Amino acid sequence: AQRVTQPEKLLSVFKGAPVELKCNYSYSGSPELFWYVQYSRQRLQLLLRHISRESIKGFTADLNKGETSFHLKKPFAQEEDSAMYYCALYTGGFKTIFGAGTRLFVKA
Amino acid sequence: DAGVTQSPTHLIKTRGQQVTLRCSPKSGHDTVSWYQQALGQGPQFIFQYYEEEERQRGNFPDRFSGHQYPNYSSELNVNALLLGDSALYLCASSLNRVNTGELFFGEGSRLTVL
Repeated sequence: AQRVTQPEKLLSVFKGAPVELKCNYSYSGSPELFWYVQYSRQRLQLLLRHISRESIKGFTADLNKGETSFHLKKPFAQEEDSAMYYCALYTGGFKTIFGAGTRLFVKA
Repeated sequence: DAGVTQSPTHLIKTRGQQVTLRCSPKSGHDTVSWYQQALGQGPQFIFQYYEEEERQRGNFPDRFSGHQYPNYSSELNVNALLLGDSALYLCASSLNRVNTGELFFGEGSRLTVL
C-alpha cells in the first residue's frame, strides 16, 4: 500500500529550539518525496524535495530508505515557521499522496 | 505571472444537488490535478487531466467527474452531493514535460453540503 504517515498533528516549540517534523512512507518503488507548507491565509506551496538535497528557509530533509522516513528538520525555529506542513509522496504515475499534516507552532 | 486560480471560493449546496468547480492552471502549465481536503486531513487525489483526458484517478466514485478544455483550464463536477462531500477542493497544476512531481496549488473551493 502507498501511504504517508505524519504521526504528530501538532508540534509546539520555542523560538530558537530545534524542530523535527516526522514523516514515514510506505511505497514499493523508488520514492520521490516532498514537503509542502501552508502559511496562514496562503496557498499550499512546495518547501523542498528530497532529490534537490537543498536547504530552504533553514529546513532540510534527508530520505532514509532503510527507515522509510523523510523527516523535516531545522536547527533553530523562528516564529515565521509557524504553519501547516505536509509530507508528500510522488508515485511517478501522476498521483501525489499526502500525509495528514503537522501544525507547527513556534512560541516566542 | 498568474498562478492557479479557482472559482468559486465558497459555496453551499444541499444533498442531492450537483456542483461544478473551475480551475485555471498557472501560466504555461498543461496538466491539472484535483484534490479533496476534508477537515483535519491532507489532500486526497481525485484525478488528473492532461491533453483533455483523465489519465489517472484516485479512489473516488463516478459521481466525481471532470473536464479539461483546450486552454488547459479544468472543471470538477460532483453529482448527487452527499454530506461527506463537504471539503476544500484544491486544484493543482504542473507542466507535463517537466515531470518533477512539483505541484502548484490554487487557494481552493470550499464546498459545504447541507
